[in-house]
Amino acid sequence: KNEVEQSPQNLTAQEGEFITINCSYSVGISALHWLQQHPGGGIVSLFMLSSGKKKHGRLIATINIQEKHSSLHITASHPRDSAVYICAVHNYGQNFVFGPGTRLSVLP
Amino acid sequence: KAGVTQTPRYLIKTRGQQVTLSCSPISGHRSVSWYQQTPGQGLQFLFEYFSETQRNKGNFPGRFSGRQFSNSRSEMNVSTLELGDSALYLCASSLAGVSYNEQFFGPGTRLTVL
Repeated sequence: KNEVEQSPQNLTAQEGEFITINCSYSVGISALHWLQQHPGGGIVSLFMLSSGKKKHGRLIATINIQEKHSSLHITASHPRDSAVYICAVHNYGQNFVFGPGTRLSVLP
Repeated sequence: KAGVTQTPRYLIKTRGQQVTLSCSPISGHRSVSWYQQTPGQGLQFLFEYFSETQRNKGNFPGRFSGRQFSNSRSEMNVSTLELGDSALYLCASSLAGVSYNEQFFGPGTRLTVL
C-alpha cells in the first residue's frame, strides 16, 4: 500500500463546477503540501498544511490529522485550472513522499 | 526576486557516463531539495540540503549524490548513468526546509539517457 493515495486519478469537469480532490496518507506527518503541475513540468506549491484549513482565491485546502485525510477544493473551476494536482507529505522519517497525482481537465 | 533556476534545461547522455545538474535557489533560501520525476514512478524525493549539509535522503542508490555550496547553490551528480535514470529532475528551495516552509520549484532539467 502506498503511503500517500489520491482520488480520483482523473477528473473532467465543466467550467464553473465545484471540484474536490482527496488525499489520504498512512504515516504520521509534520506537514502536507498540495502542488500543481502544468503540462511542460512546472510545479507550483499551492498550500502547506499541518492543521485546519487554508484558502487562497478559489482554492481551499483542508486537513484532518486524526483521519489522515486532506482535501483540495476548487470553486468556480476554469479551464486554466487544468493541471495535475499532487499531494505530498513530510513524514517523521524526514522524507518527502508524493501521491500519484490527480489529472484535472476543465472544459469550457 | 528571481525564481529558482536550473541548468542545463535539457541534457542527453549515454549509458555509463556521469552528469552534473545545477540549481540556484531563491536569494535568502537556505534549503534545496532535489526530486526525480518519471512516468512510471511519479515524483520521488532524492535529498535535501540545508546550510551545506545533507539533511535528508530518499531511497536512491549511491550513484546519486549532491552537495550544497556556501551561497546555497546546489549540484547533484549521477554517475554510471542507466537508461532508467531518464527523467525530469526538479529542485526546490525554501527558507528553512521541506517540513517548515513552502517549496519553490525550478523548471527542471530533462535528462535523456541513450
